[in-house]
Amino acid sequence: QSALTQPASVSGSPGQSITISCTGTGSDIGAYDYVSWYQQHPGKAPKLIIYDVTDRPSGVPARFSGSKSGNTASLTISGLQAEDEADYYCNSYRSTNTVVFGGGTKVTVL
Amino acid sequence: QVQLVQSGAEVLKPGASVRVSCKASGYTFTGYYIHWVRQAPGQGLEWMGRINPNSGATNFAQRFQGRVTLSSDMSIRTAYLGLSRLTSDDTAVYYCAKIPFPLEMDTNSPVFDYWGQGTLVTVSS
Repeated sequence: QSALTQPASVSGSPGQSITISCTGTGSDIGAYDYVSWYQQHPGKAPKLIIYDVTDRPSGVPARFSGSKSGNTASLTISGLQAEDEADYYCNSYRSTNTVVFGGGTKVTVL
Repeated sequence: QVQLVQSGAEVLKPGASVRVSCKASGYTFTGYYIHWVRQAPGQGLEWMGRINPNSGATNFAQRFQGRVTLSSDMSIRTAYLGLSRLTSDDTAVYYCAKIPFPLEMDTNSPVFDYWGQGTLVTVSS
């Protein structure tokens, strides 16, 4: 069961915008609008920041946004802040009632 | 408030089995799927499976078929993950997580809004 493909690392300066990609196949990201994104700080449980491709849970800052085109979903962080330094994971529903995660992206704030 | 509280760390030998518990509070336990996700040291998240606490129906990632058991006890609002024939590759933090959408919505969206604190399972001889 292959994971979704994410870049290993992305970096940016405070105030800049960065985008993290998450590439799947026609059996997961391309077939369903069921992509979520999670932020994980070291030693902590993941935190939901985007669901159903573009929706943001209550309490998540508006600088986090999601999108999708074909088999690739993207998370954009606008106005990067120091506290955004963390690992980010995407996941998607995959046909036959399974779920697949991306390999994770380490975001560094320079 | 919603809480998922997991059992404590375990240290086991290769070939053994482990059971991790996840006690829910603050919501209707039988109304929402519970999923299990693990994370090996320094590695990414890996989905293992899910359980419908109302019916007991389960789905698993193919690589765990035959080795993982998911169950729940609605009387004590607790879900369980069992994993057998452990190897060092099973050393990981195991998380339970709930879905925010009620079962009757019948959605497959893998949205995990609340997570347990994680349970470290160490497999070592």
